[in-house]
Amino acid sequence: DIVLTQSPGTLSLSPGERATLSCRASQSVRSNYIAWHQQKPGQAPRLLIYAASSRATGIPDRFSGSGSGTDFTLTISRLEPEDFAVYYCQQYGVTETFGQGTKVEVK
Amino acid sequence: QLQLQESGPGLVKPSETLSLTCAVSDGSISSSIYHWGWIRQPPGKGLEWIGSGYYTGSTYYTPSLKSRATISIDTSKNQFSLKLSSVTATDTAVYYCARQLSGRPFDLWGRGTLVTVSS
Repeated sequence: DIVLTQSPGTLSLSPGERATLSCRASQSVRSNYIAWHQQKPGQAPRLLIYAASSRATGIPDRFSGSGSGTDFTLTISRLEPEDFAVYYCQQYGVTETFGQGTKVEVK
Repeated sequence: QLQLQESGPGLVKPSETLSLTCAVSDGSISSSIYHWGWIRQPPGKGLEWIGSGYYTGSTYYTPSLKSRATISIDTSKNQFSLKLSSVTATDTAVYYCARQLSGRPFDLWGRGTLVTVSS
């Protein structure tokens, strides 16, 4: 099974700053089938990005994804107050795995 | 907009079987383009995929839970279910059901239900 490792564990930033989150896979991800989900306390995850770089319906364009093979990145260009949350990458296809998450907190 | 709602006991005794149901509303579970999955999240921890199923009855599971998990699809009731046998305290978690378009990640989630394993 593919293992996903996210870094950093916690990112401390201020509103308006740029956030860069990393997701590294233990082996190459078929068809770049990597997604990013946002989860706020007490809520279910929400899909942000699929196929490494495609935004899900209704997701603001300050969220962008990039990468291929084993290295993937989620970038939030300018943090809004509602963006402080935990972010998970997911590898999907035949089997599904999640990274351990990156918490974006207010500095 | 299709909605998912988990239901089931909030407390299960060790060694017993955890049983949850996910009701699908405003949409059909028999759609050929969707798979239906279960994901769990222990308190304060990350997400773990348990398994998924298709309306034809085919299922697939994460290897670590394959021996204990069973997912079934009931098209007549427009719902799907999860059974997890021989539970221990480590199975305490919020359990989510979710929809997955073929070849896509989970794009619609239920609100989740907390299941505590304790005597």
